[in-house]
Amino acid sequence: AQTVTQSQPEMSVQEAETVTLSCTYDTSENNYYLFWYKQPPSRQMILVIRQEAYKQQNATENRFSVNFQKAAKSFSLKISDSQLGDTAMYFCAFRSGTYKYIFGTGTRLKVLA
Amino acid sequence: DTGVSQDPRHKITKRGQNVTFRCDPISEHNRLYWYRQTLGQGPEFLTYFQNEAQLEKSRLLSDRFSAERPKGSFSTLEIQRTEQGDSAMYLCASSLGAYSYNEQFFGPGTRLTVL
Repeated sequence: AQTVTQSQPEMSVQEAETVTLSCTYDTSENNYYLFWYKQPPSRQMILVIRQEAYKQQNATENRFSVNFQKAAKSFSLKISDSQLGDTAMYFCAFRSGTYKYIFGTGTRLKVLA
Repeated sequence: DTGVSQDPRHKITKRGQNVTFRCDPISEHNRLYWYRQTLGQGPEFLTYFQNEAQLEKSRLLSDRFSAERPKGSFSTLEIQRTEQGDSAMYLCASSLGAYSYNEQFFGPGTRLTVL
């Protein structure tokens, strides 16, 4: 069975600084997809970034980028130039052919002014 | 595009009562998912539909839980004889197509409190 582990329950970062959130996963499959979702307080989850396992190039979306290490089964999220609006729960998710997501327990990120 | 909507947003009920939640997916999305999220945890998969067919159910979905998606549009999740352990946020999501890279769009959730 696949598992997703986020080992940082809470993190904080100063506005405009860079922060990296960790995620590791376990699977025996070769083809899968990884996602980072953001859940702001009392608001719905939105996709931040996704990575296809067959792509070696790390995904980037504006201030958000990932460090995908397939052999190590690691998928970290880097947020550059942190903004107050980045304050949220961040969930790492794994998805394969069954289409359902398997989520980690989340990292609560607080951006400090 | 109004996004995924869920109703009600909050539900408080007494133990033993039945509750029903509704999810309206993004109109062209053929896949619909239900997840449960308890405090301090990530969402856990419950079930999913492709059009009107329920294709997978989690072991978390006991016999007291039933989900439907008539006509492949909105979906309902019913919990019978609620227990305090059912207290959680119930999330609905939808996606388009049959490709794993298609993101799931989430609704705001229904927060259930069982007294």
